[in-house]
Amino acid sequence: QSALTQPASVSGSPGQSITISCTGTSRDIGDYNSVSWYQHHPGKAPQLIIYDVSHRPSGVSNRFSGSKSDNTASLTISGLQAEDEADYYCSPSSSILRIFGTGTKVTVL
Amino acid sequence: QVLLQQWGAGLLKPSETLSLTCAVYGGSFSGYLWSWIRQPPGKGLEWIGEINYSGSTNYNPTLKSRLTMSVDTSKNQFSLMLSSVTAADTAVYFCARMVGNDYSPWGQGTLVTVSS
Repeated sequence: QSALTQPASVSGSPGQSITISCTGTSRDIGDYNSVSWYQHHPGKAPQLIIYDVSHRPSGVSNRFSGSKSDNTASLTISGLQAEDEADYYCSPSSSILRIFGTGTKVTVL
Repeated sequence: QVLLQQWGAGLLKPSETLSLTCAVYGGSFSGYLWSWIRQPPGKGLEWIGEINYSGSTNYNPTLKSRLTMSVDTSKNQFSLMLSSVTAADTAVYFCARMVGNDYSPWGQGTLVTVSS
């Protein structure tokens, strides 16, 4: 099982929208209709922000949205805010696979 | 609201055994998979393994030979032991509950450093 590929870093100005990609293969992202995204502020507990590709848990801002096409999943953060500066990880939600993306550091300029 | 609180030794010498425990507060202990995940310095997340209420385990094949997980249902706790640690095991270790196929919530993380 190999880690899924994410850009190392993405940046944007407050108010802008950014998109983080998560690229896998037909054996992971492409084979499952469920992808999760986690937000991690260093020093704190990671938090589930998207599940089943595009669903948000209760309490998660609607500025976070997810999508998937073939072997690539995407997380979009709209109306970027300073508090969004964190690391983000994707993961195919699977009863078999236990892998994460390589992680993306989001910087708010 | 479910809360995971973890603890364990933070500084180990090579060849020693890493031992961490995670307590579950405010929710059911049965019916879920309880997981350990780690993050080496400057690197991404790595799944270590998981255990259920009855003690059935599923381990990362790369760590399996050194790994032991256990549960204490009387205390709603689960534990991780990793033997013969090396510098490569230096990481922040997280415990987490698996809900469906997702991890939520997570513990606060424990930095474990392996150094002579």
